[in-house]
Amino acid sequence: EAQVTQNPRYLITVTGKKLTVTCSQNMNHEYMSWYRQDPGLGLRQIYYSMNVEVTDKGDVPEGYKVSRKEKRNFPLILESPSPNQTSLYFCASSTGSNTEAFFGQGTRLTVV
Amino acid sequence: AQSVTQPDIHITVSEGASLELRCNYSYGATPYLFWYVQSPGQGLQLLLKYFSGDTLVQGIKGFEAEFKRSQSSFNLRKPSVHWSDAAEYFCAVAPAAGTYKYIFGTGTRLKVLA
Repeated sequence: EAQVTQNPRYLITVTGKKLTVTCSQNMNHEYMSWYRQDPGLGLRQIYYSMNVEVTDKGDVPEGYKVSRKEKRNFPLILESPSPNQTSLYFCASSTGSNTEAFFGQGTRLTVV
Repeated sequence: AQSVTQPDIHITVSEGASLELRCNYSYGATPYLFWYVQSPGQGLQLLLKYFSGDTLVQGIKGFEAEFKRSQSSFNLRKPSVHWSDAAEYFCAVAPAAGTYKYIFGTGTRLKVLA
């Protein structure tokens, strides 16, 4: 089954404790991206990747890091999480930047 | 600046009634247009998309949308809403070429009354 898998689905952590949210897709898509969803703000892009070892900032990259060492994986790293990063995070993949995006189930992160 | 506006934050309709969700965009040229639906606790699922050609596009679950260039709009419609349509709906645009990102609207949450 074609899918984008994120882990974990739920995470509660403390301020400053590094964490990684994993994202994996099995569709051989070149393009992957991370979004955060906040009430009243819709989805805002954090980072995107056009291919292996090619990443770039989206609209809200501060406080986040990504890497794309393999085509299928695109982890989101929070080196020092803060409460304002409490949000619902989605990973997505697609064949290109303007084609249908396939989304993961989301990761609800709470930073206390 | 490029933007997508969904003016209705919440909409409530009765089951069986018709539905129209509004989406307006601001773009230098005609972008690619999408509607996604997000059911509670789920990721986003594509309902339909417009790239070119016929301005009335059909999607899944009985939804359709009409692209109107003169109004910079891409409104989503359904003739008869079902209770299972209760969800949040997002309009999105992407450039036909160039930068690599979607821009999403802020979403419209649909409530369906039995």
